[in-house]
Amino acid sequence: EVQLVESGGGLVQPGGSLRLSCAASGFTFSTYTMSWVRQAPGKGLEWVSAIRGSGDNTYYADSVKGRFTISRDNSKNTLYVQMNSLRAEDTAVYYCAKARIVGNWDFDLWGRGTLVTVSS
Amino acid sequence: DIQMTQSPSSLSASVGDRVTITCRASQGISNYLAWFQQKPGKAPKSLIYAASSLHHGVPSKFSGSGSGTDFTLTISSLHPEDFATYYCQQYNFYPFTFGQGTKLEIK
Repeated sequence: EVQLVESGGGLVQPGGSLRLSCAASGFTFSTYTMSWVRQAPGKGLEWVSAIRGSGDNTYYADSVKGRFTISRDNSKNTLYVQMNSLRAEDTAVYYCAKARIVGNWDFDLWGRGTLVTVSS
Repeated sequence: DIQMTQSPSSLSASVGDRVTITCRASQGISNYLAWFQQKPGKAPKSLIYAASSLHHGVPSKFSGSGSGTDFTLTISSLHPEDFATYYCQQYNFYPFTFGQGTKLEIK
């Protein structure tokens, strides 16, 4: 079955760090661009970051640039995002999403999400 | 950054109705436009890519059109399971940006 499963969310204090993971299965993970998208409570969707299949090219929203780092381990079929210097406004459900076809950017598969709460 | 503006922000309709949601980009994005459906407490579901192509398994009552800056999502003959929030997203330029969402409610 083709699926994405996020983990690593939780409660963290402002200024703290957290690493989220997204375990992929059912497809050739290493060939697809992957992204993180977040949704603050009661708000809309916000694209956060993307990474090419090889891991060589990464892209970030201005709101997280310099604080978040996206990466992947193709040997483990896993996508990551390291989140540092967390702020209250980073509180959100974080989803990972898979590109529809190799070389494209549009998503066809989403995980269920993991909740990150930044609060003291 | 490219701004994506959806209208209306909310919409009341009845089962069996046909509805149209509009998405406007602040600059031309060719046809690099996607539509998503999201129900409360659930992950988004991909409906349409390349402005008008349906993802596998998406019923044909969903249709998309447009190119450049103006796009529409049309849902014909609403069923109860179609009442949800719909988002457009451009993926032509980084950062990829979403519209603010259109909440489709039962009248």
